[in-house]
Amino acid sequence: GDSVTQMEGPVTLSEEAFLTINCTYTATGYPSLFWYVQYPGEGLQLLLKATKADDKGSNKGFEATYRKETTSFHLEKGSVQVSDSAVYFCAPVNDYKLSFGAGTTVTVRA
Amino acid sequence: DSGVTQTPKHLITATGQRVTLRCSPRSGDLSVYWYQQSLDQGLQFLIQYYNGEERAKGNILERFSAQQFPDLHSELNLSSLELGDSALYFCASSPTGSETYEQYFGPGTRLTVT
Repeated sequence: GDSVTQMEGPVTLSEEAFLTINCTYTATGYPSLFWYVQYPGEGLQLLLKATKADDKGSNKGFEATYRKETTSFHLEKGSVQVSDSAVYFCAPVNDYKLSFGAGTTVTVRA
Repeated sequence: DSGVTQTPKHLITATGQRVTLRCSPRSGDLSVYWYQQSLDQGLQFLIQYYNGEERAKGNILERFSAQQFPDLHSELNLSSLELGDSALYFCASSPTGSETYEQYFGPGTRLTVT
């Protein structure tokens, strides 16, 4: 079955630091890829997505590029803010099922 | 606010009991998904319904069942509850069953089994 490997957390950063969260997946075929974010006490919400190879998803300063050759979808942000503190989930979808990674907890300090 | 509503927000019950979690999808969304989030298992897909019919099944136990009604709301039934069923249960919806569409998540129902 499909599986997702995400960078282990927790990650603690200072404001304006560069953030990268690695994500690699195994899947049959070429799944659509998503990053979801879960803010404290809330449900998940879509951060960005890419549906085919070399697509770049972007939103709120975050970016991730669908790399078919390395089966990766790493999340990056050039300058984080305190409000980016959350849990981030990488999730390929295949056969209608989202397969979530373990989640990476990010804490940004002022 | 995603537009997906879930009730109740919290549920505390005893082992062996049965509970029903309810989900109302966003207006117009035909697909409903159920997920379980627990500390040891992470976030797992349970089941998907599309326009009233089961479309995909994940790691859903036989003690659990779900259905989607003609008005498109969905219910997840959990029976013979065990301590290990304590978790946050999320419902999500999307406009179609297409894999390229994002899923909109509800706020979740926190189930505590004592």
